[in-house]
Amino acid sequence: EVQLVESGGGLVKPGGSLRLSCAASGFTFSSYSMNWVRQAPGKGLEWVSSISSSSSYIYYADSVKGRFTSSRDNAKNSLYVQMNSLRAEDTAVYYCARGSGDGGYDYVDYWGQGTLVTVSS
Amino acid sequence: QSVLTQPPSASGTPGQRVTISCSGSSSNIGSNYVYWYQQLPGTAPKLLIYRNNQRPSGVPDRFSGSKSGTSASLAISGLRSEDEADYYCASWDDSLSGWVFGGGTKLTVL
Repeated sequence: EVQLVESGGGLVKPGGSLRLSCAASGFTFSSYSMNWVRQAPGKGLEWVSSISSSSSYIYYADSVKGRFTSSRDNAKNSLYVQMNSLRAEDTAVYYCARGSGDGGYDYVDYWGQGTLVTVSS
Repeated sequence: QSVLTQPPSASGTPGQRVTISCSGSSSNIGSNYVYWYQQLPGTAPKLLIYRNNQRPSGVPDRFSGSKSGTSASLAISGLRSEDEADYYCASWDDSLSGWVFGGGTKLTVL
């Protein structure tokens, strides 16, 4: 069974930083691309970033480009996103999501339960 | 403002058939597959339809997807109370080099 468990969310001040982690299990992590998708309170889904299985391709939404950095450690079956220069509009539940293949833009087929990031003074 | 356009709400009575539309452009739906996700209240999204009209195992055949040009639709037949959820369409956008979602449609079963 595919399991994705996010951690690292919490309250951070505007301009601050936070690092989210996602622990994956139930599949061969190194064979799949991974994604971060977020959902602001009461709002719709917004894609944040995609990273290919070998980290060769990494894509970012314009809204986070230059501030967020996605990475993965295939030996640890883990996905990360380093979020810097956080803004109030980054407040959201952040979902870790598996891509259906090993490329840079495979569709999401499994989702974690999400971790809440709140940016507020 | 979402890149893909969905109606904010839809409704139907049990047993009815409802459709949810998703409108895009040549850089997304017009040149790539469409996907649909179901988000039940308080839960994470779940893949409902992939590659325009394919159902993952476990998804009832009451759910079907279609695509024509730069638009797509999700149809739900034999509506059930447990179908009450938010539904999102998604597609890769070649111009943005990223995934784009619709704003979501809240389905109410009356």
